[in-house]
Amino acid sequence: DAKTTQPTSMDCAEGRAANLPCNHSTISGNEYVYWYRQIHSQGPQYIIHGLKNNETNEMASLIITEDRKSSTLILPHATLRDTAVYYCIVRVGFKAGGSYIPTFGRGTSLIVHP
Amino acid sequence: DAGITQSPRHKVTETGTPVTLRCHQTENHRYMYWYRQDPGHGLRLIHYSYGVKDTDKGEVSDGYSVSRSKTEDFLLTLESATSSQTSVYFCAIASGYGETQYFGPGTRLLVL
Repeated sequence: DAKTTQPTSMDCAEGRAANLPCNHSTISGNEYVYWYRQIHSQGPQYIIHGLKNNETNEMASLIITEDRKSSTLILPHATLRDTAVYYCIVRVGFKAGGSYIPTFGRGTSLIVHP
Repeated sequence: DAGITQSPRHKVTETGTPVTLRCHQTENHRYMYWYRQDPGHGLRLIHYSYGVKDTDKGEVSDGYSVSRSKTEDFLLTLESATSSQTSVYFCAIASGYGETQYFGPGTRLLVL
């Protein structure tokens, strides 16, 4: 299974774009890239996922490089409420009983400051 | 937000007592999961369920049991709580093949 590498921490000014990188150089052709975030004391929250095309939803954009070895999660106008730990997951873990079990690593701690 | 609730949200108990945590969903999703989260360890899977009465162990299942007698409820039981089980417990649900998970608000358990 592909593993991911993310910076431990990042910071961003409120109102600016936050660009969170993720390396997944061993990703295989049928593996999706998923992003979750966890705001302090809350459960993780699904953000977005993609296979090879760029994706956008109401929360964020996901840019995947053409070789699929890395991706970037973009929060276009970061707010203080976006301060959280962001997890990049490439369907790692095991598949049993028909369910993929994602493995949450350490993620990137994003601090958005005024 | 996905319809997931956990109860209780906070609990303090003593070593050796049994504890049951409940996860309830209103989404009719097939998959349900119990995780624990501790500083320095991140999220770790305890047990999961892929259908009514179908459950399997995760990476940290020792000391825990689960039951799922109906689609909407997934119970996590600590038969005899220990201080090492002090943690924050999260329930999650998923449809399809479980690719996208939706998490509950968590239960903070303190075992004295």
